[in-house]
Amino acid sequence: NAGVTQTPKFQVLKTGQSMTLQCAQDMNHNSMYWYRQDPGMGLRLIYYSASEGTTDKGEVPNGYNVSRLNKREFSLRLESAAPSQTSVYFCASSVVELGPSAQYFGPGTRLLVL
Amino acid sequence: DQQVKQNSPSLSVQEGRISILNCDYTNSMFDYFLWYKKYPAEGPTFLISISSIKDKNEDGRFTVFLNKSAKHLSLHIVPSQPGDSAVYFCAASANLGGTSYGKLTFGQGTILTVHP
Repeated sequence: NAGVTQTPKFQVLKTGQSMTLQCAQDMNHNSMYWYRQDPGMGLRLIYYSASEGTTDKGEVPNGYNVSRLNKREFSLRLESAAPSQTSVYFCASSVVELGPSAQYFGPGTRLLVL
Repeated sequence: DQQVKQNSPSLSVQEGRISILNCDYTNSMFDYFLWYKKYPAEGPTFLISISSIKDKNEDGRFTVFLNKSAKHLSLHIVPSQPGDSAVYFCAASANLGGTSYGKLTFGQGTILTVHP
């Protein structure tokens, strides 16, 4: 099992460019999440998908869109990148839709917006 | 408003001794807590969790203690090993109905260094 995989590992964008971060999990988990990590701020939830076909906003959703393509895949799109979106992005998944459970993270995508 | 706080940015411990990492929270609705470990250039790795119906949970060298009245939890690592050197994050979630448990709130992290 690969667990949670993310592509690309690193990306440089110019302000105004768009891109999609890809995430896939092979653990048959129902729920998937996107976080960003900035220095000194821990991880902050951008969007999550409790189950296939549903998505919901997290703490910092502005400037992002998501698509739950199927049970395995959850993508994050930046339509018009801004320097404030320079960050490390982590995708995660968890097995339980409604109850408490641990989330399992991918290796991250480092994004630099110039 | 930081609902989950790790007030110690760093902690240095000798190999074989106990490491104690602390975390405070302000939201009384939080009822599930987790600890994650993160190495550089990797994603966070789940370590241990605790529900608010318990005050202690143990897994090998790792023990998490929860003091609900003080809104405080701690992670004890005994004995500490050099491989434990990493950033440790605490996280919390609340049962507000629906899928609210998915919304984890993280602390800022504490850098643990274990010296040989």
